[in-house]
Amino acid sequence: DTGVSQNPRHKITKRGQNVTFRCDPISEHNRLYWYRQTLGQGPEFLTYFQNEAQLEKSRLLSDRFSAERPKGSFSTLEIQRTEQGDSAMYLCASSLAQGTNSPLHFGNGTRLTVT
Amino acid sequence: KQEVTQIPAALSVPEGENLVLNCSFTDSAIYNLQWFRQDPGKGLTSLLLIQSSQREQTSGRLNASLDKSSGRSTLYIAASQPGDSATYLCAVGAAGANNLFFGTGTRLTVIP
Repeated sequence: DTGVSQNPRHKITKRGQNVTFRCDPISEHNRLYWYRQTLGQGPEFLTYFQNEAQLEKSRLLSDRFSAERPKGSFSTLEIQRTEQGDSAMYLCASSLAQGTNSPLHFGNGTRLTVT
Repeated sequence: KQEVTQIPAALSVPEGENLVLNCSFTDSAIYNLQWFRQDPGKGLTSLLLIQSSQREQTSGRLNASLDKSSGRSTLYIAASQPGDSATYLCAVGAAGANNLFFGTGTRLTVIP
């Protein structure tokens, strides 16, 4: 168990550019989540997958954001036409199954800075 | 919508003290509550998970309690150490939702 892995750790981009982040969950986990965290705040839910199916998206996930999990393993989060307000830490988490005793395991996040 | 509040926002204690962090939530229809630790610039580490049917969970020097009816949870840290310095986040799994609702955290500093 190597934990949840996220790449890159840091990304600096200019406004208007597209960025893509990758998340590799714990291998046997079938649920995968994306959260966004700004300074001094708790993480806010963006979207989640059960295997390869994207089952829920937050209203925070504007049409510039898209997430995929093509084979039910790793996931990507793409932000198109980035804005300064997109600057945040993007966190990925995974869990084994729905239920009351399945904790979420988080990666170390990708910190995005939009200049 | 579930609202989660953590008090205090920051706490500073001398090494060796016992301390309590508080978490409250507005909707008691939850299926679990998790406490996480976050070090600066890092992701979250799960500390304890309490199912809605449970009253408390313990792990080492940590003890978390849950009072669902009053919408409260506490995280008790015994004999604090400088290595406990971090931000502690409370998160609620709301019934019927597929995600966790987080508080804004308590930033703990343990002074050697």
